Amino acid sequence: KNEVEQSPQNLTAQEGEFITINCSYSVGISALHWLQQHPGGGIVSLFMLSSGKKKHGRLIATINIQEKHSSLHITASHPRDSAVYICAVSPGNQFYFGTGTSLTVIP
Amino acid sequence: DAGVIQSPRHEVTEMGQEVTLRCKPISGHDYLFWYRQTMMRGLELLIYFNNNVPIDDSGMPEDRFSAKMPNASFSTLKIQPSEPRDSAVYFCASSRRASSYNEQFFGPGTRLTVL
Repeated sequence: KNEVEQSPQNLTAQEGEFITINCSYSVGISALHWLQQHPGGGIVSLFMLSSGKKKHGRLIATINIQEKHSSLHITASHPRDSAVYICAVSPGNQFYFGTGTSLTVIP
Repeated sequence: DAGVIQSPRHEVTEMGQEVTLRCKPISGHDYLFWYRQTMMRGLELLIYFNNNVPIDDSGMPEDRFSAKMPNASFSTLKIQPSEPRDSAVYFCASSRRASSYNEQFFGPGTRLTVL
């Protein structure tokens, strides 16, 4: 049973394209996290949100608590955005992770 | 701030050997988390500590795994005896609070290979 489902699993885009990664979850949560993992393996927290929308540079994250769904958008994608994007949710102190979306942006 | 520090970065060992992974959290962070990442299962939470006390170890796979946090600046994850299926990247993360509202800062990970 997967508490967190991400789609797509893999995504290839041309530089400049608008990208959307989706996350659906089945548990009640306090907040949702989007993480970025670069090819070197390091993990960075991009967003933490419990409602509405957050924006940081070219990245936008939205969440719909009623529908248990979140999206991560990347505008004007760039090859340096190539990474694995991981959605994580927490109903409390336990964390559930999606399996990640591998994004490749081609110049 | 140096961030979360993990050592070693890479470890190759033979089946049956003891493996010890180390983590130094960010100063002032009260919570420390140990995660394991594999291709098959993705990221999994193994155990987390609050003020050096283990709070939830339900993710620890079996008795071969143990974790300690003797003080606020150091934690270890030990596997004894190690098995090939333990091969994975092990991440340590720390935060000011365990609440899902708080950002976790991840270390660079330790890539473990058990032959």
